[in-house]
Amino acid sequence: GQSLEQPSEVTAVEGAIVQINCTYQTSGFYGLSWYQQHDGGAPTFLSYNALDGLEETGRFSSFLSRSDSYGYLLLQELQMKDSASYFCAVRDTGGFKTIFGAGTRLFVKA
Amino acid sequence: SQTIHQWPATLVQPVGSPLSLECTVEGTSNPNLYWYRQAAGRGLQLLFYSVGIGQISSEVPQNLSASRPQDRQFILSSKKLLLSDSGFYLCAWSVGGGGTYEQYFGPGTRLTVT
Repeated sequence: GQSLEQPSEVTAVEGAIVQINCTYQTSGFYGLSWYQQHDGGAPTFLSYNALDGLEETGRFSSFLSRSDSYGYLLLQELQMKDSASYFCAVRDTGGFKTIFGAGTRLFVKA
Repeated sequence: SQTIHQWPATLVQPVGSPLSLECTVEGTSNPNLYWYRQAAGRGLQLLFYSVGIGQISSEVPQNLSASRPQDRQFILSSKKLLLSDSGFYLCAWSVGGGGTYEQYFGPGTRLTVT
């Protein structure tokens, strides 16, 4: 079967750094994506890794290790507005389907 | 620029009633289209995806169906709603051909079946 595992909740303080891990077990793999979703809103794309290594986009970075079937999202200089749910997602080999994890709820405290 | 529309934003329907949710995309051609459902506090469950007009792939057998009558129109339907159909329904698109990874989501429809 296909599954993605990520922590259900993470709490951090404003200005800190937080890492959200994701491990996956899928029949095919074409890349790992991360999405952010605020309460009541739609998910928005954050980053994508197709190859091993670190991708940096402003305060957010994403890492992938295909040999370990593992990735993480790193959020730096946390702000209150970063409080949201974060989903990792795997794009399957065919490229048309994306399977989402259950999401990690991030709480940023002052 | 590309935009994606979904309507209605909220919907309350009785059990056994029909359903029709519509999604349209503007500013792109031949997109891949997707329907997801999200239960409260949960992840996104892929329901259907389409790579072209009339081409529908179903991921979860249930009482829902999807159709793509036009290139940029995707419709989710049900003949008889169940209580378990309640949830947040999201339409999304990605660039056609499977060459890119980013999915763009519509604002969603919050469905409550009573």
